[in-house]
Amino acid sequence: EIVMTQSPATLSVSPGERATLSCRASQSVSSNLAWFQQKPGQAPRLLIHVASTRATDVPARFGGSGSGTEFTLTISGLQSEDVAVYYCQQYSRWPFSFGPGTKVDIK
Amino acid sequence: QVKLVESGGGVVQPGRSLRLSCTASAFTFSNFAMHWVRQAPGKGLEWVAVTSFDASDKYYADFVQGRFTISRDNSKNTVFLQMNTLRIEDTAVYYCARSHLVYYGMDVWGQGTTVTVSS
Repeated sequence: EIVMTQSPATLSVSPGERATLSCRASQSVSSNLAWFQQKPGQAPRLLIHVASTRATDVPARFGGSGSGTEFTLTISGLQSEDVAVYYCQQYSRWPFSFGPGTKVDIK
Repeated sequence: QVKLVESGGGVVQPGRSLRLSCTASAFTFSNFAMHWVRQAPGKGLEWVAVTSFDASDKYYADFVQGRFTISRDNSKNTVFLQMNTLRIEDTAVYYCARSHLVYYGMDVWGQGTTVTVSS
């Protein structure tokens, strides 16, 4: 099973500043990686797939990068509505595993 | 509007069974793989199972251990999760989600149905 880890666990960012979230896989997943945003009481929302492709209607301030075992989600210019937990997930090999999440809040 | 609606959750005793359903609308259901993902109270997301568009491929998380079965009825735009021998640790919100292929990102999610396993 591929184990996904995320850092940091919590990230506090001032409005308008950049947030950088990291995700690491225990073995290569190529570019088979997605990022999800989950706000309290809501279902997850796909932000990024194939490591760097924004999903439909996702604002351009969300960007993904990386391949293999190291991935990054960048939120350029954090807005109040971006407060959420962000999860990475690999779909390279089943079982498809999620990271533990990074909670982003406003400083 | 593309939509997934889960149903079938509830309170059940340990060792009992439950069947969850997820009904799709406003897209060609038979073209998509379907997943179940769960989230225990206050915890992160945990992938459960996936079925390919035609049910020819099905994969499960290790913790399922033969207790859960995913199936689909493309004529009814519905995917199911049959859960047997439920354990207290199966308590969670269960989401269904679609993806274009088995090995692809899940782009549409339902709102979830809550399963509580308690004596």
